[in-house]
Amino acid sequence: SAVISQKPSRDICQRGTSLTIQCQVDSQVTMMFWYRQQPGQSLTLIATANQGSEATYESGFVIDKFPISRPNLTFSTLTVSNMSPEDSSIYLCSVVTIYEQYFGPGTRLTVT
Amino acid sequence: GDSVTQMEGPVTLSEEAFLTINCTYTATGYPSLFWYVQYPGEGLQLLLKATKADDKGSNKGFEATYRKETTSFHLEKGSVQVSDSAVYFCALSDQRYSTLTFGKGTMLLVSP
Repeated sequence: SAVISQKPSRDICQRGTSLTIQCQVDSQVTMMFWYRQQPGQSLTLIATANQGSEATYESGFVIDKFPISRPNLTFSTLTVSNMSPEDSSIYLCSVVTIYEQYFGPGTRLTVT
Repeated sequence: GDSVTQMEGPVTLSEEAFLTINCTYTATGYPSLFWYVQYPGEGLQLLLKATKADDKGSNKGFEATYRKETTSFHLEKGSVQVSDSAVYFCALSDQRYSTLTFGKGTMLLVSP
C-alpha cells in the first residue's frame, strides 16, 4: 500500500496570489498524478508527474497556471498560480503501485 | 473519449435498506472498472474493482458486476449502515494507462 499526505489540508487565498501544494508518499513510486475536484463535480486529471521528466498536462490545463515539480520518487508539488475564484476546488495527489491507485486526503482551496 | 455516468444524489436510506447506485460507462477497448468511496474529511479509498467482463468485485458487503453487454457496473449492498454514509465514485481505467476517468459521485446518506 501507499500512504499519501498533503499540505496544506485547506487554505483560503486571495485572487491573484499563488499556492503550492505538497504531496509526500511513504514509498517510492514512479507515476504520480494531480487531480482537481470542483464543487459538485467529478475528479478531473490535471497532469501526470513522473520523476526525471516534465509533467504531462491534460487538455485544458497548462504549465504556466499549474506548474508541477517532481524532484524525487516520494515527493511532488503542484502550484496554483494567479488564482481566481474558479480555482476553488479540492486538489488531490494520487500514486499508482503495482496493486492499485491511491489518493491523498486532498487540499481544499477557497479563493476569495 | 472515455466517460462515466452515475446516478445523481443524494441517495437517502434508512439503516438496513437495500442500496443500488447505478453506473454506466463509455470506453474504447476493455477498461477496468472501479468504485471509490470518500468518507467525510478523508481521501478517496478503493472500495472494489473488476478487470474483465462478468467479474464481480466485492468488499465490506458491497458488490458490483462488470456487465459488458449493458456497459454497466452498478454498486449494491444488501443492508446499509449509518457508517456507509459517504460519497461513492464510479471510475474506469484504460488498460494501457493508469489514469482514471471518474463519474460525478453519488452522496449516500443513511439514517438510523
